Amino acid sequence: DTGVSQDPRHKITKRGQNVTFRCDPISEHNRLYWYRQTLGQGPEFLTYFQNEAQLEKSRLLSDRFSAERPKGSFSTLEIQRTEQGDSAMYLCASSRDYGYTFGSGTRLTVV
Amino acid sequence: SQQGEEDPQALSIQEGENATMNCSYKTSINNLQWYRQNSGRGLVHLILIRSNEREKHSGRLRVTLDTSKKSSSLLITASRAADTASYFCATDVYGQNFVFGPGTRLSVLP
Repeated sequence: DTGVSQDPRHKITKRGQNVTFRCDPISEHNRLYWYRQTLGQGPEFLTYFQNEAQLEKSRLLSDRFSAERPKGSFSTLEIQRTEQGDSAMYLCASSRDYGYTFGSGTRLTVV
Repeated sequence: SQQGEEDPQALSIQEGENATMNCSYKTSINNLQWYRQNSGRGLVHLILIRSNEREKHSGRLRVTLDTSKKSSSLLITASRAADTASYFCATDVYGQNFVFGPGTRLSVLP
């Protein structure tokens, strides 16, 4: 499979717990993005990596959110002390030049 | 409000008809892209049009860009039930990341 892989596909967690998502981009893509999408809305930008450097973070990314991309390969997005408002689809995308390739997303439900 | 906004929010057509969706944006862009999303899935890149281009075709898709009106349209010809999905435009604003609109939900009825 040469696409963008995200794991897990679904995550149900209790409010206050920490969760971590993983994204494996297309290997030759140096840019990696995280977006969040709620029902009926378009994706909202969270953060962006070029290789291992995190170049931009949205104001949506509160202190409870942290993203890493060690060695410029896979990336993780961690949410600490989850809240019900964090329930959403978390999408990862990678690119080299123009056009993103998206993964299938991780759907997070906070109960 | 968002940089890109699609119109209409929802569209229902019969199989075989053409579907037209529009996208308006606010600031100058480097390029504009259209994506499709099937329910509960990731987004699929359809087509990219650069700011110096006016029209592009890809199979049954035709995209136009009018930078003077800050608008783009996506035309799907001879629609099929499998075209049922949400369609998003995403604008590449110089020096920023892609900004998505809220999308158009297209239903193609058999």
